[in-house]
Amino acid sequence: GAVVSQHPSRVICKSGTSVKIECRSLDFQATTMFWYRQFPKKSLMLMATSNEGSKATYEQGVEKDKFLINHASLTLSTLTVTSAHPEDSSFYICSARIIMLETQYFGPGTRLLVL
Amino acid sequence: QKEVEQNSGPLSVPEGAIASLNCTYSDRGSQSFFWYRQYSGKSPELIMSIYSNGDKEDGRFTAQLNKASQYVSLLIRDSQPSDSATYLCAVSQRQAGTALIFGKGTTLSVSS
Repeated sequence: GAVVSQHPSRVICKSGTSVKIECRSLDFQATTMFWYRQFPKKSLMLMATSNEGSKATYEQGVEKDKFLINHASLTLSTLTVTSAHPEDSSFYICSARIIMLETQYFGPGTRLLVL
Repeated sequence: QKEVEQNSGPLSVPEGAIASLNCTYSDRGSQSFFWYRQYSGKSPELIMSIYSNGDKEDGRFTAQLNKASQYVSLLIRDSQPSDSATYLCAVSQRQAGTALIFGKGTTLSVSS
């Protein structure tokens, strides 16, 4: 089956630091990856759509300068949370779409805690 | 505004019963439909996909699609306590390659 990995699975950082999260499609190529955020007991919130080789498309209300997304290859997208603050603490989940299909496969998620 | 609506639940069923989860969507142009399961603290996991009207069965799971009524459902037969989770309905958009539209999910609780 289609496998998506994320690294790290959990990160604790100090306020003001930057954190990079990697999302990899392990056994397929993904022209499009998506980044979500989920607060406890809340719904998935789409943050941005990442297309290989082009700039990411951000959802309304998501600061592109704070959440930097890079999709440099067909198997890797990264999300960098810059100058993280406690309110950025959340569960960040990526998903990848197989070329020519609409199916999205999710990574296991990264739990970010900003102190 | 494209929407996917689900009853938030909780839906409580006894072990061994059939759980029926429902979903309606607003965009008639949607072509692909998915059910994901999300355990507490975990990321969503794909259970079923369905693309044409009718039923699709996979083990204890049956997805049903009625495009005329803009309705998708998931039946879980012989429900087990391990099926207790939040079930997310997701629908594709007209524009290919864009993110699926997710419902807020229905929480299922299966009691032993």
